[in-house]
Amino acid sequence: SQKIEQNSEALNIQEGKTATLTCNYTNYSPAYLQWYRQDPGRGPVFLLLIRENEKEKRKERLKVTFDTTLKQSLFHITASQPADSATYLCALGATGGFKTIFGAGTRLFVKA
Amino acid sequence: SQTIHQWPATLVQPVGSPLSLECTVEGTSNPNLYWYRQAAGRGLQLLFYSVGIGQISSEVPQNLSASRPQDRQFILSSKKLLLSDSGFYLCAWSTPRDRGHEQYFGPGTRLTVT
Repeated sequence: SQKIEQNSEALNIQEGKTATLTCNYTNYSPAYLQWYRQDPGRGPVFLLLIRENEKEKRKERLKVTFDTTLKQSLFHITASQPADSATYLCALGATGGFKTIFGAGTRLFVKA
Repeated sequence: SQTIHQWPATLVQPVGSPLSLECTVEGTSNPNLYWYRQAAGRGLQLLFYSVGIGQISSEVPQNLSASRPQDRQFILSSKKLLLSDSGFYLCAWSTPRDRGHEQYFGPGTRLTVT
């Protein structure tokens, strides 16, 4: 069955460093991959979408890579800040399909 | 700008009682609408989606149902709640073109079935 794996262990980094989160998937060939941010007790917030024919996408301090051969996406936050502390969710989808498969997320803590 | 509302924010219900959660979207027309459930430590599970009034697709067979009586209103219901229905329920919308992606989520409803 389709499976998304995100590191269940929290990631702790120092302010100013680059945070790198990993999303691996199996038994799926997604047309696109998304990253969302979720704060405790709140709904996820859409951050970035990258399509299967794109290798990299950037938005301000965020960078996403998508390797369909490795079946992996990396999500980078450069110059991280304590306000970046949250859970980050990876999500996959197919062209024209409504069903998006979400990972369980990785919790990021940025220490001042 | 678009906004999405969900209520109530929290709900404690006994097993066997009915459920009605409501979601409304403002500032957009003919949105795709979604209901998800999030269990602790797990990914979001898509329950239902809708592309228009009265059009509901179910992703997971269960004792829940959904309805879309108006263009920007989406309701999640149950006739008899089970303990396993506890969780964080999220409503989301996307533009008609964005099927399943670039979704915008509401604040969620924390449901505890006792």
